[in-house]
Amino acid sequence: DADVTQTPRNRITKTGKRIMLECSQTKGHDRMYWYRQDPGLGLRLIYYSFDVKDINKGEISDGYSVSRQAQAKFSLSLESAIPNQTALYFCATSEGTVHAGELFFGEGSRLTVL
Amino acid sequence: GQNIDQPTEMTATEGAIVQINCTYQTSGFNGLFWYQQHAGEAPTFLSYNVLDGLEEKGRFSSFLSRSKGYSYLLLKELQMKDSASYLCAALDSNYQLIWGAGTKLIIKP
Repeated sequence: DADVTQTPRNRITKTGKRIMLECSQTKGHDRMYWYRQDPGLGLRLIYYSFDVKDINKGEISDGYSVSRQAQAKFSLSLESAIPNQTALYFCATSEGTVHAGELFFGEGSRLTVL
Repeated sequence: GQNIDQPTEMTATEGAIVQINCTYQTSGFNGLFWYQQHAGEAPTFLSYNVLDGLEEKGRFSSFLSRSKGYSYLLLKELQMKDSASYLCAALDSNYQLIWGAGTKLIIKP
């Protein structure tokens, strides 16, 4: 089984719908991240969490919200999806400060908003 | 501002050597990281440099010059399976990764 699991892997939805992407990990890491990836733009950070009580906005948090339900679970919500949120979304985890640059990624969730 | 630059695409021949360059400007610096990403898959960690110099891991090596804000990833004895995007990322003073857009490497027989 994968150490970082994302569900769903693929989702097609309509404009205005609420969508939740879920992430769970078995690596025991405190730090969890949500990224989106668009062709030619690289990875952009949406939200990150250093522990259950710590949630931080990334560079593109508008239109998204997150919930850290437990150390192992970090979900991303789109309250009212719009077409420009069509992208590949990745959840990732890492250890603390010294190892913060070594991320372990989930397999990705491809979201299409029509 | 913070910025990472790397070439968009490179082409190389199977069995050859290729060098992918990366320049960075960040607020503080705590390391330079390289990731490999095959099409449609998640990025996977390849290597990192904190101090100046060369780090070797099998066919892959990574070099860092902090004074020049420069790194490269060197891939030797290229294989078809090395066709992928290579992502350069720098860890800033807040221990946040700043990502480049990635270099798509095409390997030809």
